[in-house]
Amino acid sequence: DAGVIQSPRHEVTEMGQEVTLRCKPISGHNSLFWYRQTMMRGLELLIYFNNNVPIDDSGMPEDRFSAKMPNASFSTLKIQPSEPRDSAVYFCASSFSPLAYEQYFGPGTRLTVT
Amino acid sequence: DAKTTQPNSMESNEEEPVHLPCNHSTISGTDYIHWYRQLPSQGPEYVIHGLTSNVNNRMASLAIAEDRKSSTLILHRATLRDAAVYYCILRDIAGGGADGLTFGKGTHLIIQP
Repeated sequence: DAGVIQSPRHEVTEMGQEVTLRCKPISGHNSLFWYRQTMMRGLELLIYFNNNVPIDDSGMPEDRFSAKMPNASFSTLKIQPSEPRDSAVYFCASSFSPLAYEQYFGPGTRLTVT
Repeated sequence: DAKTTQPNSMESNEEEPVHLPCNHSTISGTDYIHWYRQLPSQGPEYVIHGLTSNVNNRMASLAIAEDRKSSTLILHRATLRDAAVYYCILRDIAGGGADGLTFGKGTHLIIQP
């Protein structure tokens, strides 16, 4: 199994631009999670989906952030417009179910907004 | 989720056992204890979990205190590849509030050759 796949691995963009991060969960997993990691705040949950439906988006910092999961094998996290404080590593994780003991994390996307 | 307290960093020698402590004095009866680790420049990875009894798997052992207010992750023979940040996380699985993981600051484990 290829594991959770994220793209791009690195993204550098200018303030005000739209950024789209992509995630392919492990086949057969029904739950998908987006996390953000910064030095100041550590790892934070942004949003999670179960069976392609957003369940909890209370961690999404602002309306500039949006996430979609159009099908079981693809999810996007979009930031529009981006700001320098959005610079972070964004991780996608998947699990067999919301209650599964183990979440599998992707390699992350390092986003730099200048 | 209830809060956990871990030392900021620990140092050990290669091929020696490592005991990583975690305090969770406000743990509830339905909180499972999870450990994840994050190797440099990688995403977190699951290590082990338990509820009341001690647990063993191929990666580590988890020793849970009888009152469940603390636990210890045991790496039986550390290697340089075990250098990582180790996170102790509580999850209320039975509460029905299934959600993501709440990470603290974790313990930065340094392995000396």
